[in-house]
Amino acid sequence: GAVVSQHPSWVICKSGTSVKIECRSLDFQATTMFWYRQFPKQSLMLMATSNEGSKATYEQGVEKDKFLINHASLTLSTLTVTSAHPEDSSFYICSSRPPGGRDYGYTFGSGTRLTVV
Amino acid sequence: QQQVKQSPQSLIVQKGGISIINCAYENTAFDYFPWYQQFPGKGPALLIAIRPDVSEKKEGRFTISFNKSAKQFSLHIMDSQPGDSATYFCAAGLSGQGAQKLVFGQGTRLTINP
Repeated sequence: GAVVSQHPSWVICKSGTSVKIECRSLDFQATTMFWYRQFPKQSLMLMATSNEGSKATYEQGVEKDKFLINHASLTLSTLTVTSAHPEDSSFYICSSRPPGGRDYGYTFGSGTRLTVV
Repeated sequence: QQQVKQSPQSLIVQKGGISIINCAYENTAFDYFPWYQQFPGKGPALLIAIRPDVSEKKEGRFTISFNKSAKQFSLHIMDSQPGDSATYFCAAGLSGQGAQKLVFGQGTRLTINP
């Protein structure tokens, strides 16, 4: 089945620094990658949708200059949290699915726990 | 119109019992309804999904029941086991060409008591 590999699984960074999270599709071409944020005991909140070779589409209220998304290839999408602050601490998850056909299964990465200190 | 409402928020079931989680949607254009299971510190994993042309789909101990007229669907876990203890999310989306975003329910924290 389709696999999305997400790294790192956890990261601790100092306030004011930037952190990059990578998501790779291992066995399919991910033309679109969804980036979610999840707070403890809450549902997934869609942050942005990235499309290979074009600018990401951000959901309302998400700062595009703080959460930089790059989708330069069909197998790699990255989320960079810039000038991180403690309120950016959260669980970040990416998701994609193989294009076409009747396979509608969206696959999620394993998530990245970001702690900003 | 994009909301998916999920209930209950939490559920405790005895081992061997049936766990039932319900979801309701508003957008009649949705045609893909998956259920995800999430363990702490992990990403969601697809459990089972259904499309509106069928009223029920079963995979092992997991069954989705779908009521198109009521715009509701539910997950039934038969013979619930302690290993099923996790958070479950329903979702709804469009299955057209290209990747379409999913709308998620609020989640149900399921605890199976041994």
